[in-house]
Amino acid sequence: QKEVEQNSGPLSVPEGAIASLNCTYSDRGSQSFFWYRQYSGKSPELIMSIYSNGDKEDGRFTAQLNKASQYVSLLIRDSQPSDSATYLCAVIAETSYDKVIFGPGTSLSVIP
Amino acid sequence: NAGVTQTPKFRILKIGQSMTLQCAQDMNHNYMYWYRQDPGMGLKLIYYSVGAGITDKGEVPNGYNVSRSTTEDFPLRLELAAPSQTSVYFCASSYAPLAVGGAYNEQFFGPGTRLTVL
Repeated sequence: QKEVEQNSGPLSVPEGAIASLNCTYSDRGSQSFFWYRQYSGKSPELIMSIYSNGDKEDGRFTAQLNKASQYVSLLIRDSQPSDSATYLCAVIAETSYDKVIFGPGTSLSVIP
Repeated sequence: NAGVTQTPKFRILKIGQSMTLQCAQDMNHNYMYWYRQDPGMGLKLIYYSVGAGITDKGEVPNGYNVSRSTTEDFPLRLELAAPSQTSVYFCASSYAPLAVGGAYNEQFFGPGTRLTVL
């Protein structure tokens, strides 16, 4: 069973701080990685996708991928109360071109 | 564009009843997906489709059936509902395979159907 693990949280950070969300995955052959944000009672929305080792930045968000360590993270700089949500890590395994495996999510609370 | 639409928003079923969850998209996406999300958990893939007439199983297909007769519609059928199927069901679509990088692989989600089986 291919798995994606995340700290369940809740993670609390003060407004303006950096929030760091972590994700590990078990399938060493995984090639595609995604971070979704899900507000309570709403559907997930894509924040970032990353395919290569290293960092990928988009505004206040930075995704970091380390395939050797089977680790992907999401950094949120200058955290805002509107960033309070559950963040889902998702991975596509090497042999499953379209099947996305989601982690359980990390709940983030940004305190004003 | 309406994006991805799902009906109904809420439904309560009795054990053993059947129902169809409707999903439609107007973005001309080839790929469509059904997920379920249990409380405090991530999403699990039930079935997906890469185009009209083509469907395949995901992680948790037991107790469900799908069909894809048109590009726009991807209904999910629950036969003989069980309490274990109490969940929030999300339909999603994408233009290209999710494993393909670029601007066309974003997965768009519908608003969800909250199903309770008693």
